[in-house]
Amino acid sequence: DAKTTQPPSMDCAEGRAANLPCNHSTISGNEYVYWYRQIHSQGPQYIIHGLKNNETNEMASLIITEDRKSSTLILPHATLRDTAVYYCIVFLTQGGSEKLVFGKGMKLTVNP
Amino acid sequence: ETGVTQTPRHLVMGMTNKKSLKCEQHLGHNAMYWYKQSAKKPLELMFVYNFKEQTENNSVPSRFSPECPNSSHLFLHLHTLQPEDSALYLCASSQVTSGASGELFFGEGSRLTVL
Repeated sequence: DAKTTQPPSMDCAEGRAANLPCNHSTISGNEYVYWYRQIHSQGPQYIIHGLKNNETNEMASLIITEDRKSSTLILPHATLRDTAVYYCIVFLTQGGSEKLVFGKGMKLTVNP
Repeated sequence: ETGVTQTPRHLVMGMTNKKSLKCEQHLGHNAMYWYKQSAKKPLELMFVYNFKEQTENNSVPSRFSPECPNSSHLFLHLHTLQPEDSALYLCASSQVTSGASGELFFGEGSRLTVL
């Protein structure tokens, strides 16, 4: 079962920042938060991951709350090509079962 | 281009046919995965291979038979499938070192239709 909760959908205006929320209140101390996205009929694409510190790469920023019970993926300047289903996943990398479990995700629609 | 190539991209088969899906990764990874994505459902993990050894079989029916001859190639052999097996089949790879990796690289998928 997915250990995260995301809203089913969100709209964002092109050029604006898209802030995608995720709740993971049962996350354990050594579980990471991973984000993927899937553009229609393509394979999922890795975006970013983090443990407790905020992370940034060329695609996005990940903000994790101090208690680690929630996180926000930020796309700083959303484009039409960012329209996709975004998945927030909690994953154990050490001694885990190597199962990356995808939930239903959240559909982000970027509008012109 | 993710470095993971799946063929064919589209496949239509009858319930009595035997076909295979192929996946090849050019990333030097040591783990490969098959996922299934049915319409309006989350991705389901089917099989995991680490260093060519199957480490996960997620209660997949025997009409799906995986094969991993080396770390770069993964096959999914299909026989006597049912219409409900119609789905997008996704292959992925990752580099597993001291622990599991959550950074998977996915192919574009093979869209399977069973008539």
